[in-house]
Amino acid sequence: DAKTTQPNSMESNEEEPVHLPCNHSTISGTDYIHWYRQLPSQGPEYVIHGLTSNVNNRMASLAIAEDRKSSTLILHRATLRDAAVYYCILPRGGGFQKLVFGTGTRLLVSP
Amino acid sequence: KAGVTQTPRYLIKTRGQQVTLSCSPISGHRSVSWYQQTPGQGLQFLFEYFSETQRNKGNFPGRFSGRQFSNSRSEMNVSTLELGDSALYLCASSLVAGGGTEAFFGQGTRLTVV
Repeated sequence: DAKTTQPNSMESNEEEPVHLPCNHSTISGTDYIHWYRQLPSQGPEYVIHGLTSNVNNRMASLAIAEDRKSSTLILHRATLRDAAVYYCILPRGGGFQKLVFGTGTRLLVSP
Repeated sequence: KAGVTQTPRYLIKTRGQQVTLSCSPISGHRSVSWYQQTPGQGLQFLFEYFSETQRNKGNFPGRFSGRQFSNSRSEMNVSTLELGDSALYLCASSLVAGGGTEAFFGQGTRLTVV
């Protein structure tokens, strides 16, 4: 499975945009890029995923570098509820559903 | 629609006992995966089932096993419990198996081994 690298923690103020980076230099051409987050005392929650093009949904945007060796999860306006651990994952393809979680980025949001 | 349901939510067992955890996926989802989360090791993949077949297994001892039924519900079993098995066990379901499919997680079962 391709490895991802994320900062251990990041801080933001409420209402401000947040850019969470992820490096995945060994990504293969068929690897999707997934982001999940885990709020305290809850199971992980799917945020967004993409393959090559930038993606938007109601929760966030995903910006994928042209060479696909890095990506950025963008929260347009952070709220206190967005305080969580964010995981960037490259699930193994080929018809398998296996998520390899790293240590993720702990996002702290201040009022 | 209902999310992924895991039962029980909390469980206390004694060393040496066995335990069975249950997971009901989202209706229509055929892939079910199990994960173990501990403070020291983080989230680790246990195994994945699709159409009643185990398709992928993580690096866990044979004491950890699972199965999936024809209605896609899944159970995992841990035999001869050890203190180190204390963890949050999470189940995730997906519509199909594949890297382009999002997984939906349950709230987990918190297992404490004493």
